[in-house]
Amino acid sequence: RKEVEQDPGPFNVPEGATVAFNCTYSNSASQSFFWYRQDCRKEPKLLMSVYSSGNEDGRFTAQLNRASQYISLLIRDSKLSDSATYLCVVKGVDSSYKLIFGSGTRLLVRP
Amino acid sequence: DGGITQSPKYLFRKEGQNVTLSCEQNLNHDAMYWYRQDPGQGLRLIYYSQIVNDFQKGDIAEGYSVSREKKESFPLTVTSAQKNPTAFYLCASSKTGGGTEAFFGQGTRLTVV
Repeated sequence: RKEVEQDPGPFNVPEGATVAFNCTYSNSASQSFFWYRQDCRKEPKLLMSVYSSGNEDGRFTAQLNRASQYISLLIRDSKLSDSATYLCVVKGVDSSYKLIFGSGTRLLVRP
Repeated sequence: DGGITQSPKYLFRKEGQNVTLSCEQNLNHDAMYWYRQDPGQGLRLIYYSQIVNDFQKGDIAEGYSVSREKKESFPLTVTSAQKNPTAFYLCASSKTGGGTEAFFGQGTRLTVV
């Protein structure tokens, strides 16, 4: 089983739609969680950190469910510019603080 | 401006050659990482380092080597032992400790010719 798993998609949605991505992780003691966005042939960039209480940044909402070991990202009112690959990232539990990436979920927003 | 710089952006290697990819950061981060990304795939960890003169193998270290002689620098050498080196290589850095995100360089695209 992979340490971090995501549905690869692609998710093809119209502008204005609401779309949700899930990510599961295998190590229950994992400490920190993030969502990154990666555009084609570019480096990943931090979209948002994921806190236990859940957090929102404009049209984006991230949630963490420790009991079920999954992280979610909700995008409301999708824009064409949201088209990208969304990477779920988990930070390791031991002193190594190793960053583990999921394979990414591709989102295509159509006019 | 603080940031993380990778060079070169594009690199071509002949079979049997070793090549070194540069990664420099001025963010004063202790931890640095090297990832490999193949087309349509996620990031796979090659090596990471938490402190100067120390580094650990990631999931796909075979055929690669690194050094960490300075806090700011974490070069990656792709050796001739790496049989399929054509890929997008990404370097990242972060503070150590939980809750701190990583910042990436713009990547080096390596092609074997």
